[in-house]
Amino acid sequence: EVQLVQSGGGLVQPGGSLRLSCEASGFTFSIYWMNWVRQTPGEGLQWVASMNQDGSEIYHVDSVRGRFTISRDNAKNSVFLQMNTLRAEDTAVYYCLRLDWTDVAFWGQGALVTVSS
Amino acid sequence: QAVVTQEPSLTVSPGGTVTLTCGSSTGAVTSGHYPYWFQQKPGQAPRTLIYDTSNKHSWTPARFSGSLLGGKAALTLSGAQPEDEAEYYCLVSYTGAWVFGGGTKLTVL
Repeated sequence: EVQLVQSGGGLVQPGGSLRLSCEASGFTFSIYWMNWVRQTPGEGLQWVASMNQDGSEIYHVDSVRGRFTISRDNAKNSVFLQMNTLRAEDTAVYYCLRLDWTDVAFWGQGALVTVSS
Repeated sequence: QAVVTQEPSLTVSPGGTVTLTCGSSTGAVTSGHYPYWFQQKPGQAPRTLIYDTSNKHSWTPARFSGSLLGGKAALTLSGAQPEDEAEYYCLVSYTGAWVFGGGTKLTVL
């Protein structure tokens, strides 16, 4: 059974930092692109970042580029999202996602990030 | 960045048929955009209904189908059930990015 178990999240002040983690099981992690997606309260979904299998290709949405960084550790079947210089508008539920064009997408359970003073 | 457009809301009668669409500001949605369809119910994470235009997961009810229709990705629900009331999101691939549609709130009434 494919599982993506997230950790991290919480309350952080504007300008602060937070790291989200996502541990995968039930599939060969190292052969899949991994992604982060967020959903603002009561709003829709926004793709945030993607990383290929060995980390040689990385993409971020414009609104987080230079502040957020996706990374992965294939030995630990984990993907991470380092979020720096957080803003109020980054408040959202963040999901890790196995997303690979021609295969089923699997979602983590989500982690709420609240940026507020 | 491209904008992906969905109907904000649709209503279908129980047992009826409805088609949700997903358009792109850059032109026609094709199989090369690898469109996904997700269903989200309140308080839950989304789950995949359709991937790569028309492929289903084992948990996807047979009444859902995906296709390309008139330059858009389409999700057709045939024989709507009360439990199909939910928010539906499409997701489209572009070079170096994925873009979600704004979602369609489907009411079964």
